[in-house]
Amino acid sequence: DTGVSQDPRHKITKRGQNVTFRCDPISEHNRLYWYRQTLGQGPEFLTYFQNEAQLEKSRLLSDRFSAERPKGSFSTLEIQRTEQGDSAMYLCASSFYGTSSTDTQYFGPGTRLTVL
Amino acid sequence: DAKTTQPPSMDCAEGRAANLPCNHSTISGNEYVYWYRQIHSQGPQYIIHGLKNNETNEMASLIITEDRKSSTLILPHATLRDTAVYYCIVYYSRADKLIFGTGTRLQVFP
Repeated sequence: DTGVSQDPRHKITKRGQNVTFRCDPISEHNRLYWYRQTLGQGPEFLTYFQNEAQLEKSRLLSDRFSAERPKGSFSTLEIQRTEQGDSAMYLCASSFYGTSSTDTQYFGPGTRLTVL
Repeated sequence: DAKTTQPPSMDCAEGRAANLPCNHSTISGNEYVYWYRQIHSQGPQYIIHGLKNNETNEMASLIITEDRKSSTLILPHATLRDTAVYYCIVYYSRADKLIFGTGTRLQVFP
């Protein structure tokens, strides 16, 4: 257990429905990242926050995806009008970014999404 | 694209050392070498990282060549629970994201 938690662990939904995932980072970590992983591939970066600010979004993050971190603590990732291609494992990671020359990202267990 | 090259798979006998190689010939001076592993259906687990010097922790040792163009992750006494996909990543924290390749699938057999 890294201290990063994600909820739910599994989600099955029908095409066209909206889904929302939550990530709770390690409490003192100021950075929070979202990645997506499809079968047989390594995780791919989606977006990240430093405190409340969303600093970068990947081109993978279509208009149907939105992420928030309103108080600089937990984050939510919402997918609107889900498509079968959204089926994947959604991973959250957190790190402390400060004066050190590097920051180590710690991952949660992931949320596995299946779109029928 | 990932800046590392790893063999797709390796086998190791239980109790023996597992040596996982990684090539990163284009690594920059401010980039660290990070290793993560992912056991089936779980999130990636941080193992170790280094810049220039060799590093050791309770999980593994990391050997980085003097020119920094390659490295080796060593699991000194592999167990069945070490069966996983191992990812070698070069990471510069100002770049903000980890870029994963396809990793090495390590199978530890009895």
